[in-house]
Amino acid sequence: QKEVEQNSGPLSVPEGAIASLNCTYSDRGSQSFFWYRQYSGKSPELIMSIYSNGDKEDGRFTAQLNKASQYVSLLIRDSQPSDSATYLCAVSGRDSSYKLIFGSGTRLLVRP
Amino acid sequence: ETGVTQTPRHLVMGMTNKKSLKCEQHLGHNAMYWYKQSAKKPLELMFVYNFKEQTENNSVPSRFSPECPNSSHLFLHLHTLQPEDSALYLCASSQEGAGAGAKNIQYFGAGTRLSVL
Repeated sequence: QKEVEQNSGPLSVPEGAIASLNCTYSDRGSQSFFWYRQYSGKSPELIMSIYSNGDKEDGRFTAQLNKASQYVSLLIRDSQPSDSATYLCAVSGRDSSYKLIFGSGTRLLVRP
Repeated sequence: ETGVTQTPRHLVMGMTNKKSLKCEQHLGHNAMYWYKQSAKKPLELMFVYNFKEQTENNSVPSRFSPECPNSSHLFLHLHTLQPEDSALYLCASSQEGAGAGAKNIQYFGAGTRLSVL
């Protein structure tokens, strides 16, 4: 079982729709959770961080964490073509918050 | 552009060459990281330095040799690489590099695209 799992996609949504990206992780002791956006040929850029159960909203982005289900998601409201990118889920290790384990990423395509 | 700068952006080298990748962070962070990103694979952590001390070597082959002279600079020295080492090499930094509970956000540089012929 992979430590951090994401559907590779592509996830295709029309402009203006809600895009829902999901991530599951195997280490129940993980404490910190991050979503990074990576455009093709570019470096990862932090979108959201979340540390406790529930929802965290920042503009059009909402991160949702459920530690009991070992599940973290990212919702993008009013999706724009500029949101088309690969979204990486990263989870901290049990023994240290600095060691991040990344998923393979979900490619999102927003159709105009 | 982020506060983490990597040079060169692109590098082509033969298997017998020796080259170095450079990373500099202007964020006042204490921890720096090297990652490898290959096509269709997750980001792989290679090395971690915290306050100039190496705290993580993720079973990286010795043909990759890191150097951290201070908290702002990180190098990756390359020698006798293999074609399978071709990848995007990313440097990152964070405020801290150790301790459970730290809400440790990592910021990435633009990366060096390495091709080994």
